[in-house]
Amino acid sequence: NAGVTQTPKFQVLKTGQSMTLQCAQDMNHEYMSWYRQDPGMGLRLIHYSVGAGITDQGEVPNGYNVSRSTTEDFPLRLLSAAPSQTSVYFCASFPGAPGSPLHFGNGTRLTVT
Amino acid sequence: AQSVTQLGSHVSVSEGALVLLRCNYSSSVPPYLFWYVQYPNQGLQLLLKYTSAATLVKGINGFEAEFKKSETSFHLTKPSAHMSDAAEYFCAVRGSQGNLIFGKGTKLSVKP
Repeated sequence: NAGVTQTPKFQVLKTGQSMTLQCAQDMNHEYMSWYRQDPGMGLRLIHYSVGAGITDQGEVPNGYNVSRSTTEDFPLRLLSAAPSQTSVYFCASFPGAPGSPLHFGNGTRLTVT
Repeated sequence: AQSVTQLGSHVSVSEGALVLLRCNYSSSVPPYLFWYVQYPNQGLQLLLKYTSAATLVKGINGFEAEFKKSETSFHLTKPSAHMSDAAEYFCAVRGSQGNLIFGKGTKLSVKP
């Protein structure tokens, strides 16, 4: 049982480059989300999805795009990377019941130079 | 709107001492509350959760938390700290859209 799988684990980009962070879950969870973690800031929600074809913005959505074509996959796209997007990114999922916890991937550490 | 405040960005205890990590929440509806732990260079692991079944919640690794509605608190405790407890701890409340709203985290150091 793989749970939530994120790729890559590490990535270095130059300012202006684009890339996609991949996230897949095999638990048939309807709800998926992306967070970024910065020192002293906790985890902040970027985008989330409550099911295939449905996405919405979180607290810090600027500079990021998402789509949800299948239940399993929820990629995060950086359109034009900026140094302010240097962070650790976590993908998470849960089945939708309010008392259910989020299941997290192991994170992607992104550096933008 | 829901929110979480974790008091103390760094807490240091001696091995064998009581661990107390503080979390206060704000919620207009009965809250669902969670504590997660993050070891260095790893993802987040669920420690315990409160879902209204019992006010004292026991989690993994000897941690527990008590929900106090009158104080809007959900503090995390462990009677005796171990070196392996050194990590960052996050308190979270479920938001209205289903997402989790996290506090800024508390880094726990354990001195030998």
